[in-house]
Amino acid sequence: AQSVTQLGSHVSVSEGALVLLRCNYSSSVPPYLFWYVQYPNQGLQLLLKYTTGATLVKGINGFEAEFKKSETSFHLTKPSAHMSDAAEYFCAVSQNRDDKIIFGKGTRLHILP
Amino acid sequence: KAGVTQTPRYLIKTRGQQVTLSCSPISGHRSVSWYQQTPGQGLQFLFEYFSETQRNKGNFPGRFSGRQFSNSRSEMNVSTLELGDSALYLCASSTKQGLNTEAFFGQGTRLTVV
Repeated sequence: AQSVTQLGSHVSVSEGALVLLRCNYSSSVPPYLFWYVQYPNQGLQLLLKYTTGATLVKGINGFEAEFKKSETSFHLTKPSAHMSDAAEYFCAVSQNRDDKIIFGKGTRLHILP
Repeated sequence: KAGVTQTPRYLIKTRGQQVTLSCSPISGHRSVSWYQQTPGQGLQFLFEYFSETQRNKGNFPGRFSGRQFSNSRSEMNVSTLELGDSALYLCASSTKQGLNTEAFFGQGTRLTVV
């Protein structure tokens, strides 16, 4: 069965600094991988997804993630943090397009002025 | 294009009661999934419906049930409510066509059981 582990339930970075949110997955077959963001009192919004092809995936709001099969990782990065990036971020995995999407427990990103 | 609509947004129920939550997916989306979100457990998968059939199910007791109608709208029912059922219930819809697996989420229904 697939699973997702997000390292760090809370991450704090200074405004303008690099954002790195870590995600490791387990899957018995090539996975589909996702990053979602949740702002307070809102549903989840897709930031980016990896299905096949290029392993470096660019998403919205300047975020990107790299699929590394050898490390079973799909870390999320952004070169320069902005105050508006403060939110909770969820990494998710699906084994194929017909399978359910399993979410990690989330990482709350705090941006320090 | 309208997004995923969940009703009601907020609900307060008494322990032992039952509750029905509604989800209207994006037009053209045939897959609807339900998730329970709590601070301690994060997002936990409840079930997924596709073309009125339950296709996947999470590890929740039988008190949690759902259904999907021919217009793809879905309802989730929880019977004999417990205090621990207090959570944000999120619905997501997708097309599940080809590689387009993106799930679009509604704003959720916040259920409080007292």
